[in-house]
Amino acid sequence: QKEVEQNSGPLSVPEGAIASLNCTYSDRGSQSFFWYRQYSGKSPELIMSIYSNGDKEDGRFTAQLNKASQYVSLLIRDSQPSDSATYLCAVNHAGGTSYGKLTFGQGTILTVHP
Amino acid sequence: NAGVTQTPKFRILKIGQSMTLQCAQDMNHNYMYWYRQDPGMGLKLIYYSVGAGITDKGEVPNGYNVSRSTTEDFPLRLELAAPSQTSVYFCASVTSGGTDTQYFGPGTRLTVL
Repeated sequence: QKEVEQNSGPLSVPEGAIASLNCTYSDRGSQSFFWYRQYSGKSPELIMSIYSNGDKEDGRFTAQLNKASQYVSLLIRDSQPSDSATYLCAVNHAGGTSYGKLTFGQGTILTVHP
Repeated sequence: NAGVTQTPKFRILKIGQSMTLQCAQDMNHNYMYWYRQDPGMGLKLIYYSVGAGITDKGEVPNGYNVSRSTTEDFPLRLELAAPSQTSVYFCASVTSGGTDTQYFGPGTRLTVL
């Protein structure tokens, strides 16, 4: 069974600090990796996607992918109270029969305190 | 574009009742998905569809049925509701199944008592 595991939370960081969120996946055939942010009572919204090894930066967010270690992470620099949310790691086992299906981790709750 | 819409937003069912959760998208997306999210957990795939007339089971399909008669609509049917089906249900769609972004609807919060 394809599994996605995230570091257990909750994670609490002070405002202005770097928040580090981690995710491991079991299927070596996985090709697409996503980080979703979900505010309480809301639907997930995509904040980062990454498809190849290395780093991808978008504003204060950096996604890192290491396929050899089956590891993907999200760094949030200069964390703000508005970043407080649950962060979901999702993996697409892209291939001929995957049809874009995503497997989600259990989520990590991040709290940024002033 | 309205994106992905879901109705109703909230619903309380009694054990054994049935209902249909509605999902529609106006982005002409081929692929659509139904997920459920239990408290404190990630999303689990219930059913998905790759086009009108084509549906298949996901990870947790028991107790649910779907149909896809048009590109736009993908309703989820609950037959004989059980307390274990208390959850938040999200519908999502994407243009193709590769690297494209999945767009999520606002969700339906269902309680079975």
